[in-house]
Amino acid sequence: ETGVTQTPRHLVMGMTNKKSLKCEQHLGHNAMYWYKQSAKKPLELMFVYNFKEQTENNSVPSRFSPECPNSSHLFLHLHTLQPEDSALYLCASSQRPNQPQHFGDGTRLSIL
Amino acid sequence: GQSLEQPSEVTAVEGAIVQINCTYQTSGFYGLSWYQQHDGGAPTFLSYNALDGLEETGRFSSFLSRSDSYGYLLLQELQMKDSASYFCAVPGDGGSQGNLIFGKGTKLSVKP
Repeated sequence: ETGVTQTPRHLVMGMTNKKSLKCEQHLGHNAMYWYKQSAKKPLELMFVYNFKEQTENNSVPSRFSPECPNSSHLFLHLHTLQPEDSALYLCASSQRPNQPQHFGDGTRLSIL
Repeated sequence: GQSLEQPSEVTAVEGAIVQINCTYQTSGFYGLSWYQQHDGGAPTFLSYNALDGLEETGRFSSFLSRSDSYGYLLLQELQMKDSASYFCAVPGDGGSQGNLIFGKGTKLSVKP
């Protein structure tokens, strides 16, 4: 138990579907992150939120839309995804940016 | 720009000692972190070095040399459960406003 919970654990969707990934942290942290992890590639930072404000968008396509309603919750809204978007999507949180991060177990996303 | 280099794979036997090296290139430096990730699991924070020298936490130790832009993770008394991928990470440009940049990871296989 890392204190960061992601749902769902697995998601299969078609390219025309719309779905959302959810992340919740119970650690009292102020920064939250979305990462993409594909096979044989390093963790790719997608978005960073600090005190609910987005501070980083790492050139992510607009078909990924993050939302951070408060410091404990983070969403990733998905629409019109491509097969190459199939990956493990990890959420993390930290007390402040560049502090040690606590990761959730991830959502394994498969695009048909 | 920033980059981190670490070996892609390392193999060792139970009970042995293994060292995983990481060299980094950053415009500023705000610490070197190590994370462990088992197959199908979430990355887990292991250690953080902001200053030169060795930090010991049980069987795991982490070393940093800022003058050489180099660090390593030392795993002693290897156990089968230590088979995992190990990532080094540094904060991105901007230090306190930056975010972690991860290496590609070193896959450690521990054999009986």
